[in-house]
Amino acid sequence: NAGVMQNPRHLVRRRGQEARLRCSPMKGHSHVYWYRQLPEEGLKFMVYLQKENIIDESGMPKERFSAEFPKEGPSILRIQQVVRGDSAAYFCASSPRLMQGGNTEAFFGQGTRLTVV
Amino acid sequence: GENVEQHPSTLSVQEGDSAVIKCTYSDSASNYFPWYKQELGKRPQLIIDIRSNVGEKKDQRIAVTLNKTAKHFSLHITETQPEDSAVYFCAAVYNQGGKLIFGQGTELSVKP
Repeated sequence: NAGVMQNPRHLVRRRGQEARLRCSPMKGHSHVYWYRQLPEEGLKFMVYLQKENIIDESGMPKERFSAEFPKEGPSILRIQQVVRGDSAAYFCASSPRLMQGGNTEAFFGQGTRLTVV
Repeated sequence: GENVEQHPSTLSVQEGDSAVIKCTYSDSASNYFPWYKQELGKRPQLIIDIRSNVGEKKDQRIAVTLNKTAKHFSLHITETQPEDSAVYFCAAVYNQGGKLIFGQGTELSVKP
């Protein structure tokens, strides 16, 4: 089991461009969570997805950000028209089941470090 | 609301001493509390977790305690070593949607 795979590891974008971050969950995991980490700060929840469904997007900015987890392929976090303030590490995590009920763990990928210049 | 408070934000100890990090959560329905260790530039790694049906769990030098009444949980590291130096995050699962909410992190420094 290769673990949670994120790519690219590093991404540089100019202001106004689009950034696409990919996350392949661990084998058998159908729940994906995206977090943003600013330098020297904590992990801020962005969005929680299950295959083909967005379960909770309460942490995601209303504009420019979107996420999907299609039936086939990785989960994608998309940031349109990036600004300098979007520079951060974006981590995804996956779990095999609902974390509700405390019946499973979540494991993180290596993260994508986005730099907007 | 969904909130996890973590203290202290920085902690410096001598090698061999113990380190304690404390967290409080706001949702009494939360029932799963993991701890993650994050080394510089790396992914958060799960080091120990506790579920609401137990009050304490140990794994070698690491232990976690949970007080459901007070909505507190703590990480205890005994006989600290320089390789324990990292940022530690506590988290709680909120039953509304089942997502993990993290504390602000504690930067632990173990001096040899």
